[in-house]
Amino acid sequence: GAVVSQHPSWVICKSGTSVKIECRSLDFQATTMFWYRQFPKQSLMLMATSNEGSKATYEQGVEKDKFLINHASLTLSTLTVTSAHPEDSSFYICSARDQDYGYTFGSGTRLTVV
Amino acid sequence: RKEVEQDPGPFNVPEGATVAFNCTYSNSASQSFFWYRQDCRKEPKLLMSVYSSGNEDGRFTAQLNRASQYISLLIRDSKLSDSATYLCVVNIGGGGNKLTFGTGTQLKVEL
Repeated sequence: GAVVSQHPSWVICKSGTSVKIECRSLDFQATTMFWYRQFPKQSLMLMATSNEGSKATYEQGVEKDKFLINHASLTLSTLTVTSAHPEDSSFYICSARDQDYGYTFGSGTRLTVV
Repeated sequence: RKEVEQDPGPFNVPEGATVAFNCTYSNSASQSFFWYRQDCRKEPKLLMSVYSSGNEDGRFTAQLNRASQYISLLIRDSKLSDSATYLCVVNIGGGGNKLTFGTGTQLKVEL
């Protein structure tokens, strides 16, 4: 089946620093990837749709300058949380859609900003 | 109104019980429907797609009622390992093919 690899699994950083999260499709090409955020006891909320070779499409209320998305190749999308603050602490998950296997999720990144 | 609504639970059931979860969605143009399972602090994993004709996978049966915009999941002979959060997920289609998630229903299966 399709595999999506996401790194790091967890990260603790100081307030004001930036954190980059990587999402790779390992055995298929993904022209589109999705980035979600999940707060405790809440649902996954779509933040943005990452498009290979073009700008990401952000959902309403998501700051594109704070959450930088780069999708430079067909197998890699990155999300950079810039100038992170404690309220950015959350579980970030990426997803890619494969023609045969549908939507596959990365294992998620738990970000804690202290 | 939320796009996808679920009762958050938790539902505590004894091992071997049959349990059903429901979900409603607001967008009548929704095209595809899924149940995902999410374990604590893990990513969601596809449990099954949901079709109007109803579909079954072992102990799991899913049903879709387009007229009522209602989706159900039935788990028979529940196991301890079924304890998880079950997410109702809808794809409204279109160019974005974005998934919309319900808040999830938490199931705890006990001895």
